[in-house]
Amino acid sequence: EAGVTQFPSHSVIEKGQTVTLRCDPISGHDNLYWYRRVMGKEIKFLLHFVKESKQDESGMPNNRFLAERTGGTYSTLKVQPAELEDSGVYFCASSQARGNGYTFGSGTRLTVV
Amino acid sequence: SQKIEQNSEALNIQEGKTATLTCNYTNYSPAYLQWYRQDPGRGPVFLLLIRENEKEKRKERLKVTFDTTLKQSLFHITASQPADSATYLCAPGGSARQLTFGSGTQLTVLP
Repeated sequence: EAGVTQFPSHSVIEKGQTVTLRCDPISGHDNLYWYRRVMGKEIKFLLHFVKESKQDESGMPNNRFLAERTGGTYSTLKVQPAELEDSGVYFCASSQARGNGYTFGSGTRLTVV
Repeated sequence: SQKIEQNSEALNIQEGKTATLTCNYTNYSPAYLQWYRQDPGRGPVFLLLIRENEKEKRKERLKVTFDTTLKQSLFHITASQPADSATYLCAPGGSARQLTFGSGTQLTVLP
């Protein structure tokens, strides 16, 4: 089966610009997660979708971050306006049932300059 | 606050030996714990999940233990190979579906 696909793999933007990250989960996986690793830190949870609904967005840093999951398929994570501290690797993961482990994408490396 | 500690940032062992990685957690009572492998430039890859009512779980050369009294999980790789070199992450999970990741242990298996 196809894995979790993230696009773009790399993005370099200037402070104040807008960037949109995309995640295509494994087909049929209702659960979709966004995680982030900033330099030197652990991978941190951002939010969790079940189908098209936000189940938990307690990890979202602030209102500059907006996540959507249209029709319960792919998801986008928009950062607007981007700040320097937003630089890091953004991972998307999906799972079907609890206890099965998550399948992660390769991540999007975001650099804000 | 919840805290997860993984033993030493880096661990070097000789090929053929058993690698043992430690994950300790505090201020936390996870219902299960997952272990992932991460290679440079890639996302974490799921290896094993162990639940709070399980003492041990095995998969091929991998073994995980979970001691809820000690608040510790041990991850073993037997007959280690250079291809096992990677960063290994522990991730306890609870009723909320989100995982909390440790900082990882970078394992290097020397030929």
